[in-house]
Parts: sequence; structure tokens; C-alpha cells
Amino acid sequence: SAVISQKPSRDICQRGTSLTIQCQVDSQVTMMFWYRQQPGQSLTLIATANQGSEATYESGFVIDKFPISRPNLTFSTLTVSNMSPEDSSIYLCSVAAGGNYGYTFGSGTRLTVV
Amino acid sequence: AQSVSQHNHHVILSEAASLELGCNYSYGGTVNLFWYVQYPGQHLQLLLKYFSGDPLVKGIKGFEAEFIKSKFSFNLRKPSVQWSDTAEYFCAVNAQGTYKYIFGTGTRLKVLA
Repeated sequence: SAVISQKPSRDICQRGTSLTIQCQVDSQVTMMFWYRQQPGQSLTLIATANQGSEATYESGFVIDKFPISRPNLTFSTLTVSNMSPEDSSIYLCSVAAGGNYGYTFGSGTRLTVV
Repeated sequence: AQSVSQHNHHVILSEAASLELGCNYSYGGTVNLFWYVQYPGQHLQLLLKYFSGDPLVKGIKGFEAEFIKSKFSFNLRKPSVQWSDTAEYFCAVNAQGTYKYIFGTGTRLKVLA
């Protein structure tokens, strides 16, 4: 299965600033996914990023807040913009392992906004 | 709308005890079902999956899960847990033919040595 490198692994940020999270995959994948895991809650899909097209955002998530780039088939970034303490979460990158074979996840970025 | 319920948020067991974690989903169509595990300090890993066929599926590390379609359930079991099974376990569902997964809220399992 694919190996995903995600960075930074954690960060503490001031409110009002932005953080860009990077996700690098060791093989070419068509679809990459960004999830958020808020404290004590489950994983929630933020958006699906396809190379060469605009990301598709889930209900409750907007491009201005979470801009995503997908410049090639092995790399994606998620930016958390104009952060507030409510954005404190773990952000995860994942890729589909092909068909219905489940996701492979990155190690996550633990974001704390103060 | 699809949803996934995990009934137990925290479970504490002694080593060698049997484990069953409940997972129920809400969706009218054909689904794929997954259990993921997250060990302390590590990333999510796929434990086992069900697509079709035998409703009893076996995963890694002695885990198994049974899909009961009539009950919309996919409970995770292990006959004898070990201290190293201490982790958080997530049930997930996706509608066949789609890539969107719905995750349960997770169950934190602590196994006492």
C-alpha cells in the first residue's frame, strides 16, 4: 500500500494566522482526501483533491477557509486559514488504496491554535 | 444520510479477556465496511474490511468482524486481547461505488496487563 508522509506533525499557531500542511505519497494516486479529527470526535471529510481540478468540499467546509492544492499525482497541501481555537484538531491526509480497499492515512498534523 | 454508531466509547479489559466492539450503520444501499485501529502515537491503520461474500472476515492480529445485514451491524471481536491491543478503534462505512467514508466516533480500548 501507499506510504504517506505528512508534515508538520504538530504545530502551535496564533489565532488569525494560517498553516499549510503538506502530504507526500510515494506513488501516484488519483484521489487524495483531507480529514479533520476534532478532540473526542470522529474523522470528518473536509475535501477530495483530484490532480488538475478544483477540490470538492464537503458540507460545512469552504475553499476560503481550507484552500487545497494538488499540483501533481503525489503531492497535496491543505491550508487552514485565519485560524481560531476552534480549528484545533488533527488533520489527516489519506489516499484510496484502489477500488474499495480502504484508505491509507498519513500520520496526521496535530494543530493547536492559541 | 449515512451514519455510523459505535456504542462503547471506552472499554477497559484485562489481558486474555474477550473483546467485542459494536458498530451499527445507517444506510439503505450496499456498503463496504471497515475497522481501523490507531495505536498510541501512530497513524490509522486498516484492521479488516468487508465487501461481499463470507460475512465473517478475519483481519490482522487475530481480529475478526461479522457483518449482519439484517441488523446493520459489523461488530469487531477478538477472543483474547493483549496489552498491545490498547488503541482506539474506528468503524467506517462507505457506499459501494463511492469514495466517501463515514467514520464512527471511535472506541478507546485499554488492556490491563
